[in-house]
Amino acid sequence: DVQMTQSPSYLAASPGESVFISCKASKSISNYLAWYQQKPGEANKLLIYSGSTLQSGTPSRFSGSGSGTDFTLTIRNLEPEDFAVYYCQQYYEKPLTFGSGTKLEIK
Amino acid sequence: EVQLVESGGGLVQPGRSLKLSCLASGFTFSNYGMNWIRQAPGKGLEWVASISSSSSYIYYADTVKGRFTISRDNAKNTLYLQMTSLRSEDTALYYCAREVYYGLKGVMDAWGQGASVTVSS
Repeated sequence: DVQMTQSPSYLAASPGESVFISCKASKSISNYLAWYQQKPGEANKLLIYSGSTLQSGTPSRFSGSGSGTDFTLTIRNLEPEDFAVYYCQQYYEKPLTFGSGTKLEIK
Repeated sequence: EVQLVESGGGLVQPGRSLKLSCLASGFTFSNYGMNWIRQAPGKGLEWVASISSSSSYIYYADTVKGRFTISRDNAKNTLYLQMTSLRSEDTALYYCAREVYYGLKGVMDAWGQGASVTVSS
């Protein structure tokens, strides 16, 4: 199984700042990497797929980069609605596997 | 608008069975693969099972293989998860999610809000 190691598990930042979340796969997954946002009471939202392609509706302050085993989610100029939990997920092969999540809180 | 609504959750004793449903609307259900994903209280996301659009391909996580069965009824726009021999570690919020192909492989682009399953005596 492909293990996804996500860091940090917790991040505190202020609106207007930029943050970076790392996701590392235990083997090459090409660019089959998705990022999701989770907020209480809302459906999980696909933000980015193929490592760097923004899903329709995802604000441009979100960006993804990487391929192979190392990936990064960048959020620039944080807005209040961005404070949530973020997960990476590989869809290169079954079983589909997720990172452990990053909780982004307001400083 | 794409909508996925899970139902059928509840409190069940260890060793018993439960069947979850996911009613889809706002898209042509029969054209999409579907998944079940779960999240134990305070934990991360765990993929449970996948089924292709015509039910030709089915996959399970090792943790549920032999106990859970994923199925679908395209005429009813409904996805199912039959869960048997339930254990306390199956306690979780169960989400259904649609799979869309951007290229060669599918990614989950729409999720329901989840159905809560608690396994306890």
